[in-house]
Amino acid sequence: GAVVSQHPSRVICKSGTSVKIECRSLDFQATTMFWYRQFPKQSLMLMATSNEGSKATYEQGVEKDKFLINHASLTLSTLTVTSAHPEDSSFYICSANPGGNQPQHFGDGTRLSIL
Amino acid sequence: GDSVTQMEGPVTLSEEACLTINCTYTATGYPSLFWYVQYPGEGLQLLLKATKADDKGSNKGFEATYRKETTSFHLEKGSVQVSDSAVYFCALSGYSSASKIIFGSGTRLSIRP
Repeated sequence: GAVVSQHPSRVICKSGTSVKIECRSLDFQATTMFWYRQFPKQSLMLMATSNEGSKATYEQGVEKDKFLINHASLTLSTLTVTSAHPEDSSFYICSANPGGNQPQHFGDGTRLSIL
Repeated sequence: GDSVTQMEGPVTLSEEACLTINCTYTATGYPSLFWYVQYPGEGLQLLLKATKADDKGSNKGFEATYRKETTSFHLEKGSVQVSDSAVYFCALSGYSSASKIIFGSGTRLSIRP
């Protein structure tokens, strides 16, 4: 079945570092991918919709300059957390939908820890 | 806008007990409905889905029926196991690949041996 691969699974960085997270659809093309953030013991919060070949659509309250999204191909979207600080520490998850009433397929998530 | 409301947790049950986690939704049109499960430290996995009214999704002993008249999609299992301990998310989404998925708040389930 359809699979979404997310990398890396865990990142520990110093404050001020920029961190890139990749999301790949392995056996289908995804013109749209989604990025979520999950705080401990909470639900997933949609951060942005990544659109292949065009600008991402950000949810209200999400800083575009802080969370850079690039969707340069039909199988890859990247999220870059720029100049990360401890408050950016979280679990980030991507998803993609093959369409046609297929469910969203989620990556395994990236646990980001900023020291 | 569209929304999903699910039973607040945590829910703690003994092994082999019956489980029901309530989920109701509001939506325009005819969304697809899903239950996702998240085990500790992991991402989300699709547990089951239903794409139209009266459809029943089932997997690993879990079932949920798409009830349009009550706008509900309650998750049920007749006999839970310790390995079912996880967080369960009810969700809805439209047909298009560009459709956002809208999650409920999640219900944490703990099963005692």
